[in-house]
Amino acid sequence: GQQVMQIPQYQHVQEGEDFTTYCNSSTTLSNIQWYKQRPGGHPVFLIQLVKSGEVKKQKRLTFQFGEAKKNSSLHITATQTTDVGTYFCAGQSGAGGTSYGKLTFGQGTILTVHP
Amino acid sequence: EAQVTQNPRYLITVTGKKLTVTCSQNMNHEYMSWYRQDPGLGLRQIYYSMNVEVTDKGDVPEGYKVSRKEKRNFPLILESPSPNQTSLYFCASSLTYNEQFFGPGTRLTVL
Repeated sequence: GQQVMQIPQYQHVQEGEDFTTYCNSSTTLSNIQWYKQRPGGHPVFLIQLVKSGEVKKQKRLTFQFGEAKKNSSLHITATQTTDVGTYFCAGQSGAGGTSYGKLTFGQGTILTVHP
Repeated sequence: EAQVTQNPRYLITVTGKKLTVTCSQNMNHEYMSWYRQDPGLGLRQIYYSMNVEVTDKGDVPEGYKVSRKEKRNFPLILESPSPNQTSLYFCASSLTYNEQFFGPGTRLTVL
C-alpha cells in the first residue's frame, strides 16, 4: 500500500533559524496536505498542494510539491517560538472511486524552538 | 460555531468490554474519517466515509467498526477492545476530501 515517509522525526532549532521537513511517497499522489499539531492539541490544516512543481507561501512558511508528485517539503524561515509543534504531511492517492478518500500521513516532524 | 465534537474525551476500559466513541460535525460535511495517533507512527487512518451509508477501510481497520447512518455522525465502535488499541483517536470531517477539520481527540486506555 501507499507509504509516506517524513524526515526528520525531531528538529531542535534556535529561534531565528530556518527549519525544513521533507515527505516522500512510495506512489504518485493526487495532492498533498500539510497539518500542524500544537502540543496537546489536534491537527490543524495548513495547506493543500495539487499541481506538479507547485510552490505556495504563507508568510514565513513555504510549501513545495515535487515535479513527480511524490515528494513535498515545508520550509519555515526564521522560526519563532509560536512555530513549536508537530508538522505532518498527508498524501492522497489519485485512484478513482471511494479509494480517493484514503489519506496517508507521514510520521510527523516534532519541532522545538529554543528562545 | 463550526466544529467536530468527540465523546468521551478520555476513557479507561478493560479488555473485551465493547465501547463506542462518538463523532459529530455541524458543517454538513460529506467526508468523515477516523485516525489513531501513536508516538513515532503519526496519524493512521482507520476508516473513512465519503457519504451516508458509504464507508471504507483505511490503513488500520482491524478491530474497529464504523457506521454512517446520518451525515453528521460517524461513531467508532470497538467490539472487543484490546490493549494494543490504547491510543489517541481523532475524528475529522471535510467538505471535499481536502481540508480536514479535526475533533479534539479521545484518549483511550485499554487495560
